[in-house]
Amino acid sequence: DAKTTQPTSMDCAEGRAANLPCNHSTISGNEYVYWYRQIHSQGPQYIIHGLKNNETNEMASLIITEDRKSSTLILPHATLRDTAVYYCIALFYDKVIFGPGTSLSVIP
Amino acid sequence: NAGVMQNPRHLVRRRGQEARLRCSPMKGHSHVYWYRQLPEEGLKFMVYLQKENIIDESGMPKERFSAEFPKEGPSILRIQQVVRGDSAAYFCASSPLQDYGYTFGSGTRLTVV
Repeated sequence: DAKTTQPTSMDCAEGRAANLPCNHSTISGNEYVYWYRQIHSQGPQYIIHGLKNNETNEMASLIITEDRKSSTLILPHATLRDTAVYYCIALFYDKVIFGPGTSLSVIP
Repeated sequence: NAGVMQNPRHLVRRRGQEARLRCSPMKGHSHVYWYRQLPEEGLKFMVYLQKENIIDESGMPKERFSAEFPKEGPSILRIQQVVRGDSAAYFCASSPLQDYGYTFGSGTRLTVV
């Protein structure tokens, strides 16, 4: 699976959009970009995934660059409950391996 | 439609005892994955099982740890002769297809005293 790199931590003001970047410059053509998050002490939660088109669901939007070397997870209106560690993973039908992720703090 | 059920939520064991952690996958899911999260550390893959088969145990410690997923009943992660370093949160995930559509449980917090 392609390696991904994410910033260690980010802050976001409550009510504003949270934009979490992820670099995956070695991603192969069939690998999907998955996003999970782990709210303190809870089990990881699936957020969204995509291949090359932008995706949106009730939780977030995923913007993947045309060359697929990077992507951005967007939480449109961050709330305090969105404070969590966010994991970006590139994989194709392989077990999910978590990196260190981005610790997002939503600030009142 | 119940999610992935793990029990117990909290488990306390004395050093040297056995710990048995149970995971009931979502209905229709036949693939189970176990992960461990040590305090202040990331999630580490341990083992992947299908019904009655261990598919990938590359993340399992070589000794004292075992896992099973019988034809009937939940998947069991068993830790024999627990030590303080086994204190961690253990998460289980299930999926309907191999390596696709993971859903995680709430975890079992094991404390070894």
